[in-house]
Amino acid sequence: EVQLVESGGGLVKPGGSLRLSCAASGFTFSSYSMNWVRQAPGKGLEWVSSISSSSSYIYYADSVKGRFTISRDNAKNSLYLQMNSLRAEDTAVYYCAREGDQTTVIPNWFDPWGQGTLVTVSS
Amino acid sequence: QSALTQPASVSGSPGQSITISCTGTSSDVGSYNLVSWYQQHPGKAPKLMIYEGSKRPSGVSNRFSGSKSGNTASLTISGLQAEDEADYYCCSYAGSSPVVFGGGTKLTVL
Repeated sequence: EVQLVESGGGLVKPGGSLRLSCAASGFTFSSYSMNWVRQAPGKGLEWVSSISSSSSYIYYADSVKGRFTISRDNAKNSLYLQMNSLRAEDTAVYYCAREGDQTTVIPNWFDPWGQGTLVTVSS
Repeated sequence: QSALTQPASVSGSPGQSITISCTGTSSDVGSYNLVSWYQQHPGKAPKLMIYEGSKRPSGVSNRFSGSKSGNTASLTISGLQAEDEADYYCCSYAGSSPVVFGGGTKLTVL
């Protein structure tokens, strides 16, 4: 069974940093691009970042560019999101999602999704 | 990149059909056949329902179908059932951006 489990969320002060992790199992992690998508409380989905299978292609939403860094460790079947200079508007549940199309390096469709980890940025 | 435009809410009675629209621009929906749709029940993770405009993943009911005309994509649910009540989000590849989601539509089954 394909499984994605996020961790690392929590309460952080504005300007602080946090590193999210996503542990993958049940599929060949090194063959798929991976993504982070977030959802602010009571709001819609917002794509955050994508990374190709070999880390050669990386994309960021304008709202996080320069502050967040996506990375992966294929040997550990893990995806990461390093979040710096956090703002109140970064408060959200952060989902890890596998790219559905194994053949592409661009983010296309997302399946499956993890259960999410909550990040709260507040003083 | 602006979010795709979806109606805030739609409703229908059991057995009926409903359609949720998703309007973008010539830079996203209109240029690529890369629209996907997600269902999200309260407190749960999103679930893929349609990809590449009209393709249905294994395990998704054939009551769900997708289409596109110009800059607008649509999700149609036929034979509405109580368990279809959820939030639905469209998503499109947008080139340089490169991903944009719709604002979401709350489906109520009356």
